Amino acid sequence: GEDVEQSLFLSVREGDSSVINCTYTDSSSTYLYWYKQEPGAGLQLLTYIFSNMDMKQDQRLTVLLNKKDKHLSLRIADTQTGDSAIYFCAEGGSQGNLIFGKGTKLSVKP
Amino acid sequence: DAGVIQSPRHEVTEMGQEVTLRCKPISGHDYLFWYRQTMMRGLELLIYFNNNVPIDDSGMPEDRFSAKMPNASFSTLKIQPSEPRDSAVYFCASSDRGATEAFFGQGTRLTVV
Repeated sequence: GEDVEQSLFLSVREGDSSVINCTYTDSSSTYLYWYKQEPGAGLQLLTYIFSNMDMKQDQRLTVLLNKKDKHLSLRIADTQTGDSAIYFCAEGGSQGNLIFGKGTKLSVKP
Repeated sequence: DAGVIQSPRHEVTEMGQEVTLRCKPISGHDYLFWYRQTMMRGLELLIYFNNNVPIDDSGMPEDRFSAKMPNASFSTLKIQPSEPRDSAVYFCASSDRGATEAFFGQGTRLTVV
């Protein structure tokens, strides 16, 4: 079945780059997504990438997609304490739903 | 638009009671999703609707859970009877057909004691 895997924790120092990795199983997904969840809040779409793209850059965010290996990554440049949150990777399911990973908790130390 | 609106934000109830969670999707959105989030299992899709019709309810854990969408602007998720293991944050989300983004509500934190 469809599945999304990501590491649970990542800790970085303020100003460093963060790289959050994700693997997925459904090669037919048209879009892949990164969502951010701050404490006590709902999920917010950060960015997404179309499956025929290799890379997408949006200000401090860079998404890399390796379709052959079914690997997606999110790079946050110049990580700030305000970036501390849980980051979810998601793939578009075959019928319009989203399949989420368990989330990676990013901790940014000053 | 105010976004996806869920109510209540917090619910504390006793085991065995009926619980009803409510969701108002963004106007014009064709898809509505109910998710449950726990520390152990992460974010799980419970059920989703397209044009008010349930498409996939395979994520609904038991017969104690039921969801309805009587019209395009309202959905409910009901648990009867509730159990302590149902304690979680329940999210509702909506999206356009073919859209690249699902908009999430703020969630309902349910505690069953």
